[in-house]
Amino acid sequence: AQSVTQLGSHVSVSEGALVLLRCNYSSSVPPYLFWYVQYPNQGLQLLLKYTSAATLVKGINGFEAEFKKSETSFHLTKPSAHMSDAAEYFCAVSDLRGNKLVFGAGTILRVKS
Amino acid sequence: KAGVTQTPRYLIKTRGQQVTLSCSPISGHRSVSWYQQTPGQGLQFLFEYFSETQRNKGNFPGRFSGRQFSNSRSEMNVSTLELGDSALYLCASSLGDPPPETQYFGPGTRLLVL
Repeated sequence: AQSVTQLGSHVSVSEGALVLLRCNYSSSVPPYLFWYVQYPNQGLQLLLKYTSAATLVKGINGFEAEFKKSETSFHLTKPSAHMSDAAEYFCAVSDLRGNKLVFGAGTILRVKS
Repeated sequence: KAGVTQTPRYLIKTRGQQVTLSCSPISGHRSVSWYQQTPGQGLQFLFEYFSETQRNKGNFPGRFSGRQFSNSRSEMNVSTLELGDSALYLCASSLGDPPPETQYFGPGTRLLVL
């Protein structure tokens, strides 16, 4: 069965600092990996996805993630945090059998001024 | 192109009642998936419909059911509501074939069961 672990339920960074949100996955088949962001009282917005092409994936709003098969990781980074990045971030895994996403528990990102 | 829409946005029900939630996918999308989001359990997959057929199902009791119409709109029904069914129910649509496709989420329906 597929699973996702997000390390750190809360991450706090200063404005302008590096953002690093950690995601490790478990999958018996080649995974498809996604990062979504959720702002309060809203649905999920796709940041980026990995579908076995380039291992370094660039997304919206300056975010990027690197797929590392040897570490079963797909960490999300952004060089410089902005106040508007404060939200909850979810890592998710899917496989070729259908559109079932398995989500991690989420990481709430706080950006301090 | 309009995004995924869900109605109603907020709903209050009492235990034992039933509820129907509606989801209209992005135009051209044939797959609709439903997820339940709660503080305790996080985001959990309920089921996916593609071309009016259930293609995937999560681990929820039979009280949770769904259907999809020929125009790809989908409804989700929960019968005999329990307090634990209070949650944000998210619908997501995608082109659907071949999977996995990027899923686009609606704003959700927040259900409160009293």
